[in-house]
Parts: sequence; structure tokens; C-alpha cells
Amino acid sequence: DTGVSQDPRHKITKRGQNVTFRCDPISEHNRLYWYRQTLGQGPEFLTYFQNEAQLEKSRLLSDRFSAERPKGSFSTLEIQRTEQGDSAMYLCASSHPAGRYTYEQYFGPGTRLTVT
Amino acid sequence: GIQVEQSPPDLILQEGANSTLRCNFSDSVNNLQWFHQNPWGQLINLFYIPSGTKQNGRLSATTVATERYSLLYISSSQTTDSGVYFCALRRDDKIIFGKGTRLHILP
Repeated sequence: DTGVSQDPRHKITKRGQNVTFRCDPISEHNRLYWYRQTLGQGPEFLTYFQNEAQLEKSRLLSDRFSAERPKGSFSTLEIQRTEQGDSAMYLCASSHPAGRYTYEQYFGPGTRLTVT
Repeated sequence: GIQVEQSPPDLILQEGANSTLRCNFSDSVNNLQWFHQNPWGQLINLFYIPSGTKQNGRLSATTVATERYSLLYISSSQTTDSGVYFCALRRDDKIIFGKGTRLHILP
């Protein structure tokens, strides 16, 4: 068990460019979550997948954001036409149900995005 | 929606001191976790504790779900305990973090 991994760890991009982040969950975890964290705040839920199905999307996830988990394993989060307000840490987590309503989450190291 | 309040927002302690961090929530929840975010940003699982009491070394946690609060106890603080402590609640498919308690342990 190597834990949740994210790539890249840091990304600097110019406003208007597209960026894509990858998350590899703990193997056999069927749920995968994306969060965004800005300075001084707690992580904010963006979306989650159960296997390949995207089951919930926050209102924070504007039309410029899209997430996929095509084979129920790794996931990608794409931001199109980045804005300076998109600068944040993007966190991925995964979980495996140990019982009804459990789903303890384990987090990756995050991708820090800076939009200049 | 469900509200999560953590207190205190900041805490400065001398190494060796004990501390209690609190998480209040406004509605019933399916589960509750405590995390420690280290200075590099990594969120580390401390406890999964929707109810009851758990202990792990110098740390322990208690959740009283009927009264809608959880407490995290840190005893004999070490400088490596510094960072931000979050509680996170899940109700149905909504996952909500508090704003955290920033803990500074002075050597």
C-alpha cells in the first residue's frame, strides 16, 4: 500500500492556460474525492467518484473544471482557462467502505497550483 | 447546510503542555475524522471517530454525537505536533471540514 499519490506536486501556469492534475488512489479503494484548499482555510469538497461514476459535484466546480475517472482507478482534474482565483492546493483522497456510512478518507500530498 | 466550528482558532503552547481542541457541529453526521496538516500540507489521519473514545499514544479523541461535539486531546506536546488540526464531517454525501485549529508548540 503506497498511499494516495498526486502529480504534479507543484504547477505554475499563466492565466488562460489549461492544466490537468492526476490522482492515483490507494489500490482497491473504490471512492475518490477532490478538494480545494486556499490559504488559511480548510479543504473544500469539489467532487467524488464511486468507481468510474461521478456521484456528487459541488457548486464550487464551475464549468471550467472537469474531472474524470475513466477506468475506476486513477482520476484527472482539468481546469480550463485558468484564473488567478484558481490558485490553491488541490487535494485528492480515497476511501474504501468498511461498512455502511463509514468511508474513512486518506489524502494525497496535494498539487499546489499558482496562476500568474 | 451543516455548520462546523473549531476552537480555538490558534493555540500557542510550550513543549510538554497538554491541549484540548474542540469541534462543534450543527446536525447529526454519519462519520467524523480528525486530521493533522503538517507544514508541508500533507493531511495525516489521526482518528476516525463518529462516536465514543479512541486513544493513540499521546493523542486521544472523544465524540459525543448526541450533543454534537468532538474533542481532540494532545498530551505532552512536542514541536512536531505543530500544524493545523481539522475535523471533517460526513453527512450523506456531503463532506465538510472545519476551519481548523493552528497549533504552535514552542521548544
